[in-house]
Amino acid sequence: DAGVIQSPRHEVTEMGQEVTLRCKPISGHDYLFWYRQTMMRGLELLIYFNNNVPIDDSGMPEDRFSAKMPNASFSTLKIQPSEPRDSAVYFCASSFRRGEQPQHFGDGTRLSIL
Amino acid sequence: AQSVTQLDSHVSVSEGTPVLLRCNYSSSYSPSLFWYVQHPNKGLQLLLKYTSAATLVKGINGFEAEFKKSETSFHLTKPSAHMSDAAEYFCVVSPGAGNNRKLIWGLGTSLAVNP
Repeated sequence: DAGVIQSPRHEVTEMGQEVTLRCKPISGHDYLFWYRQTMMRGLELLIYFNNNVPIDDSGMPEDRFSAKMPNASFSTLKIQPSEPRDSAVYFCASSFRRGEQPQHFGDGTRLSIL
Repeated sequence: AQSVTQLDSHVSVSEGTPVLLRCNYSSSYSPSLFWYVQHPNKGLQLLLKYTSAATLVKGINGFEAEFKKSETSFHLTKPSAHMSDAAEYFCVVSPGAGNNRKLIWGLGTSLAVNP
């Protein structure tokens, strides 16, 4: 089975540019999560979806961040405009029935904002 | 409040010796508990999970963990470390109630395995 697929694996861009991260969850999973990982703050949950509907976006740091899930097989996390402090590794994960079942992670997108 | 504490930020062992990574949790409900591993530049991979069945849980790559409710602990062990075990390990608790159960992640333990 294909796992969670994220693209791009690496992104380097200049401050002020729009950044779009993409995620394809495992087929059949009904939960999708976006995380951010930094040395300073560890792993932070940004937002999660259930059946394509955003359930909790309380972890989204600012209005510059937005996430969508137009269908069960695709989600995006967008940062506009980007800032150097957004540099981090962003992970997407998916699961069945959140909490009871483990989350399956993609390999992440390493984002560097110059 | 729910929380998880990984007691060691760094652990160093020699190849072939036992591994112990410690985790304590706090939860008002019957939790589900997980250990994840992260190798450099990779995503997080599930090692094992506890969901109120047997208290001794066996995972992949020879790892196991024991749920001890009286001690609120879920320590990860392996009898003999291998060089490939060098990675970051995360203890995670799912508090286990309500419709908005956020996973609570420990800050991680970095495991170094010396030849």
